[in-house]
Amino acid sequence: EPEVTQTPSHQVTQMGQEVILRCVPISNHLYFYWYRQILGQKVEFLVSFYNNEISEKSEIFDDQFSVERPDGSNFTLKIRSTKLEDSAMYFCASSELAGSVEQYFGPGTRLTVT
Amino acid sequence: ELKVEQNPLFLSMQEGKNYTIYCNYSTTSDRLYWYRQDPGKSLESLFVLLSNGAVKQEGRLMASLDTKARLSTLHITAAVHDLSATYFCAVDGNYGGATNKLIFGTGTLLAVQP
Repeated sequence: EPEVTQTPSHQVTQMGQEVILRCVPISNHLYFYWYRQILGQKVEFLVSFYNNEISEKSEIFDDQFSVERPDGSNFTLKIRSTKLEDSAMYFCASSELAGSVEQYFGPGTRLTVT
Repeated sequence: ELKVEQNPLFLSMQEGKNYTIYCNYSTTSDRLYWYRQDPGKSLESLFVLLSNGAVKQEGRLMASLDTKARLSTLHITAAVHDLSATYFCAVDGNYGGATNKLIFGTGTLLAVQP
């Protein structure tokens, strides 16, 4: 069964460093998302992406964040200068069609900023 | 701003008992999702509810949606230990739009005791 994959599973970085989180969505999906979950808290929407541009972003997704689909398979989230409060689990998700009801989530990347 | 609230936040129950988790949301949406999350893991889709009065059942779990009351319930019948997890409801915050934006509830940590 097709699934969303994410790498790395755990990333440790120092404050101020840049990190890139990688996702491979399901191959025929066209809509891509990033969410984050701070430990013990709820899941929060960050950004949605379609047709090589951001469709919507939340207040959390400030200038330190960017997303990219550099090739036909990967979808990346970059945090330019990490802060301690960026420590969280980051989930990538994808869906197939416009307004598709089902989003499929990847296993997540745990980001630890020290 | 769409808000999604769940209660209870924590539920300790004995095996064999029944209980209900409630999910209230603040604005119109006809798409309501239930997810399960095990510790340190990703989000597993349980149910997608798409219309008023929708009811879906899988094993010991049954979910329903009342869009007029802006309320969804997740009912657990004859709980077993394997159901121990955190359960999240989520509402599509971009209903009618081309992309989804899932707004998650606070989660309910379910602990089923033998």
